[in-house]
Amino acid sequence: DTGVSQDPRHKITKRGQNVTFRCDPISEHNRLYWYRQTLGQGPEFLTYFQNEAQLEKSRLLSDRFSAERPKGSFSTLEIQRTEQGDSAMYLCASSSLKGGHTEAFFGQGTRLTVV
Amino acid sequence: EDQVTQSPEALRLQEGESSSLNCSYTVSGLRGLFWYRQDPGKGPEFLFTLYSAGEEKEKERLKATLTKKESFLHITAPKPEDSATYLCAVQAIQAAGNKLTFGGGTRVLVKP
Repeated sequence: DTGVSQDPRHKITKRGQNVTFRCDPISEHNRLYWYRQTLGQGPEFLTYFQNEAQLEKSRLLSDRFSAERPKGSFSTLEIQRTEQGDSAMYLCASSSLKGGHTEAFFGQGTRLTVV
Repeated sequence: EDQVTQSPEALRLQEGESSSLNCSYTVSGLRGLFWYRQDPGKGPEFLFTLYSAGEEKEKERLKATLTKKESFLHITAPKPEDSATYLCAVQAIQAAGNKLTFGGGTRVLVKP
């Protein structure tokens, strides 16, 4: 297992287009998180899944954003009608409920640039 | 609302010059405090978890400590490869799904 994997690493899109990102978590982890990070800031929570259920969404997650985790495995984050303000690094993380350890492990992120 | 403030925002060190990074936090009830390292263009890399005041963790030249209001990350005799942004995050007992609240990070540059 090589850790959390995200694809693509970079995406440049025109304003108004739709984009979709994929995250493959660490295989035995049942929790999966999406965060967004802008330049010079710390990551901000967007949403999380426990298995296939999406259990919380941040106020940051507008109606243009949707996330899925079919069958509790990989997850996708879609942004519809992208805006320049959506330009950021989108980070995926996963964690396990086992053993009392609650640390989350992050992927390398997807850098989105909206032009 | 949970809040995390890191200081300084940036730190320039000479190789071998030890220093400390501060993470002040406000949280309703702390489940854990986490330190991550982030290199440019990459995702955060997990370093430490601290669960209770007085706890300390060490890894190579890094040592993290925790009090009831803040955490410190001490870098002893740093090397250029320690240059990175160091992120602090808290996890509240009440936080849904154990989500993390991050500070803005401290950018550390170690010059040879």
